[in-house]
Amino acid sequence: NAGVTQTPKFQVLKTGQSMTLQCAQDMNHEYMSWYRQDPGMGLRLIHYSVGAGITDQGEVPNGYNVSRSTTEDFPLRLLSAAPSQTSVYFCASSYDQTGKNSPLHFGNGTRLTVT
Amino acid sequence: GENVEQHPSTLSVQEGDSAVIKCTYSDSASNYFPWYKQELGKGPQLIIDIRSNVGEKKDQRIAVTLNKTAKHFSLHITETQPEDSAVYFCAASNRNTGGFKTIFGAGTRLFVKA
Repeated sequence: NAGVTQTPKFQVLKTGQSMTLQCAQDMNHEYMSWYRQDPGMGLRLIHYSVGAGITDQGEVPNGYNVSRSTTEDFPLRLLSAAPSQTSVYFCASSYDQTGKNSPLHFGNGTRLTVT
Repeated sequence: GENVEQHPSTLSVQEGDSAVIKCTYSDSASNYFPWYKQELGKGPQLIIDIRSNVGEKKDQRIAVTLNKTAKHFSLHITETQPEDSAVYFCAASNRNTGGFKTIFGAGTRLFVKA
């Protein structure tokens, strides 16, 4: 089991460029989510998905798009990168038991710099 | 929506001492409170969690307490060791009505001095 795999590990973009951060999990988890981590602000939820074909917004969704065409993959798209999107991005998944919470499994992150 | 506050932001202790990290949450409907440890260059990993029907939970040197009335929960690490040095995050979520969102505190950087 690889768990949650994120690619790339590092990325530098110029303002206005677009890119997709990849996330894949091999645990058959229904729930997947994206967080960004900034100094002093903890982890803030960008978007999440409770299953294939279903996505919803988190705390800080502006500037990001997601889709969930399969259970395994949950890519995060930046359509027009801005310096404010410089951050470390984490993908997380969990086994969603209806009405019960279960812990998140995180990938090792993508460090994104926008110049 | 839910808001989680975490204190202190930095904590330095001597090896063998105890460390306590405190969190408060705002949504009384939150019913699941996990704690994560993040080591340098890695993603957060669950170390312990507690559900709203339990007041305290222990796992070896780590314990978590929950006061639902005051909307407080705390992480206690006893007999700290240098390998406990990391960033710790508390979180709160409510799968029943909260839209499946887990909201995190800002984190506590723990230093354990040998």
